[in-house]
Amino acid sequence: DAGVTQSPTHLIKTRGQQVTLRCSPKSGHDTVSWYQQALGQGPQFIFQYYEEEERQRGNFPDRFSGHQFPNYSSELNVNALLLGDSALYLCASSLLYDYTFGSGTRLTVV
Amino acid sequence: DQQVKQNSPSLSVQEGRISILNCDYTNSMFDYFLWYKKYPAEGPTFLISISSIKDKNEDGRFTVFLNKSAKHLSLHIVPSQPGDSAVYFCAATLLELNRDDKIIFGKGTRLHILP
Repeated sequence: DAGVTQSPTHLIKTRGQQVTLRCSPKSGHDTVSWYQQALGQGPQFIFQYYEEEERQRGNFPDRFSGHQFPNYSSELNVNALLLGDSALYLCASSLLYDYTFGSGTRLTVV
Repeated sequence: DQQVKQNSPSLSVQEGRISILNCDYTNSMFDYFLWYKKYPAEGPTFLISISSIKDKNEDGRFTVFLNKSAKHLSLHIVPSQPGDSAVYFCAATLLELNRDDKIIFGKGTRLHILP
């Protein structure tokens, strides 16, 4: 039974560029949440998708946007990248309170 | 505003002894608490949880204690083993009928188990 799959695992982008990160949820899960984990910090909630709609949003600017597809997979898009966007981006899928995290995408902005 | 606080960035414990990781929260509405364990290059994995209607939950070597009046919880690992060396995140959420299950994480505590 596959868990949460995130791609790519590592990514290097230049300031000002745009990036798309992808997440395939655990089988049976219908909700996807995205978190940003900066060095030395705990995961910070970005937003959550359920039934293809953004249900909740954390304190992140509009440069961060997302999408959920009918098969429950999800994308995180970040526009106009800043150096401070360098972090580990974690996707978590859930069904009610059964949460499973992916291994994350390490984004480095140079 | 850090709603979930882990004030010890790191902790070193001798193998075989008890590890105690602490966590404080500020939002009295939180009613479900979780501990996650994270190894390098992996995502956080669920360890143990506790509902606010209980003050203790035990699973093998892991026990979580909740003190609602102090808004404090702790994770006890007995006995500590080398494989327990990892970063431990305390997290909290609200159990609401509208499925509002956003999880708020602390900054984490890095646990080193010494041989």
